[in-house]
Amino acid sequence: GIQVEQSPPDLILQEGANSTLRCNFSDSVNNLQWFHQNPWGQLINLFYIPSGTKQNGRLSATTVATERYSLLYISSSQTTDSGVYFCAVEIYSGAGSYQLTFGKGTKLSVIP
Amino acid sequence: ETGVTQSPTHLIKTRGQQVTLRCSSQSGHNTVSWYQQALGQGPQFIFQYYREEENGRGNFPPRFSGLQFPNYSSELNVNALELDDSALYLCASSLSTTSEQYFGPGTRLTVT
Repeated sequence: GIQVEQSPPDLILQEGANSTLRCNFSDSVNNLQWFHQNPWGQLINLFYIPSGTKQNGRLSATTVATERYSLLYISSSQTTDSGVYFCAVEIYSGAGSYQLTFGKGTKLSVIP
Repeated sequence: ETGVTQSPTHLIKTRGQQVTLRCSSQSGHNTVSWYQQALGQGPQFIFQYYREEENGRGNFPPRFSGLQFPNYSSELNVNALELDDSALYLCASSLSTTSEQYFGPGTRLTVT
């Protein structure tokens, strides 16, 4: 099956710093989503981005489908950005069915 | 607009028992997908329901089963619980089988 690798696995930032999270995938995908999982387990949608670049406030994402990677940029980080960031790729699994395959996540800790 | 809701929030069961988890999809969404997230891992796809039919399944045994109702809400049933079934169970709804997925807050299941 498809492999989704996220890096780095752990990241500690000083408040106000910028960071880049990477997601590599091993095969063509139908779509890609970025999520932030808060400490209570809720997955919050950040971006739905099969290709190109999108921005939402301090966050932006770029997916280069032809090279099978996506990047999530966080600028001017805040303590509330702490949590685990997941990349998930949507693949076709046959008979009209699509499924999300997740990476293992990047655990971000932002310290004051 | 009401988001995806799940019940119960937490559950403790004994090995060998059966459990039913519930999910209400976001208004207008006809597709529900279920995921299992073990501690420290990314969510893993269990199955997807579209218009009351199972529409794709991940690598989970038949003792994991589901239902979708005419109002598009869904249930996940797990029979003969094992210790390794302890996890966070997440459901997600979407407008169709291949569109952005929105997750509920999850049910944390502990099997003792």
